Amino acid sequence: AQKVTQAQTEISVVEKEDVTLDCVYETRDTTYYLFWYKQPPSGELVFLIRRNSFDEQNEISGRYSWNFQKSTSSFNFTITASQVVDSAVYFCALNRDDKIIFGKGTRLHILP
Amino acid sequence: AAGVIQSPRHLIKEKRETATLKCYPIPRHDTVYWYQQGPGQDPQFLISFYEKMQSDKGSIPDRFSAQQFSDYHSELNMSSLELGDSALYFCASSLGTSGKYNEQFFGPGTRLTVL
Repeated sequence: AQKVTQAQTEISVVEKEDVTLDCVYETRDTTYYLFWYKQPPSGELVFLIRRNSFDEQNEISGRYSWNFQKSTSSFNFTITASQVVDSAVYFCALNRDDKIIFGKGTRLHILP
Repeated sequence: AAGVIQSPRHLIKEKRETATLKCYPIPRHDTVYWYQQGPGQDPQFLISFYEKMQSDKGSIPDRFSAQQFSDYHSELNMSSLELGDSALYFCASSLGTSGKYNEQFFGPGTRLTVL
C-alpha cells in the first residue's frame, strides 16, 4: 500500500541556516508521482513540486532543492539560507491512483 | 489564471446541525476531490467525482454526502455535525481521470468549526 513517512514531526532552526526535511515513501506502483506542499499558518496548501518516478534528476528552485533517490525511496527537501517566512508545515505526498496520500507533515520553525 | 473556489471560507455550526460546503473547479475541469484535514493532521481523501458520477470514496462518514452538478461544481453535505467534524475541508480539481493521476489543483479550503 502507498505510504509516506515524514519522521521529523517538528524542526527548529535559526534564520539563515540550511534545513533538510526528510521523506520516505512506499509504493507498489512502477509509475508514481511525489509531491511537496507547504501549509502556512493561514491554512492553504501551497504546491511546491511534483516529481515523476521516472525523473530522478534533482531540482533546484531558488533556495529550495529536492533530492529524489529511488534506491532509498526518499524524496528529501532542502531549504537553503532559511527565512522566517519559511515557517510552516511541510507535507510530502504520493499519489495512489488519482488521489493524493499525504505524510503526517513536518512543522518547521525558523527562529529570527 | 482561475483557481478552485470554495465557499464559504469559514463556517461555524452547532452540534447536530447540517452544513453544506461548495466547490467550484477550474473552468473545464471535470473531476473534483474532497479532502478533510483535522487539527494537527494531514489531509485525508474523502470522495471524488468525475463527470458528475462518484468515482472513488475514502473514509467518509455516512452522515456526509456529496454530489457533482451539471456545471461541475460540487457540494459536500454534512448532517448531524459532531465536534470531531471540525476541520479544514479542501476541494481539488483536475481534468480527466481514469484511475491514474492527473494534476490536481487545490482550493483555499473551508474551515468548519463545530461548537
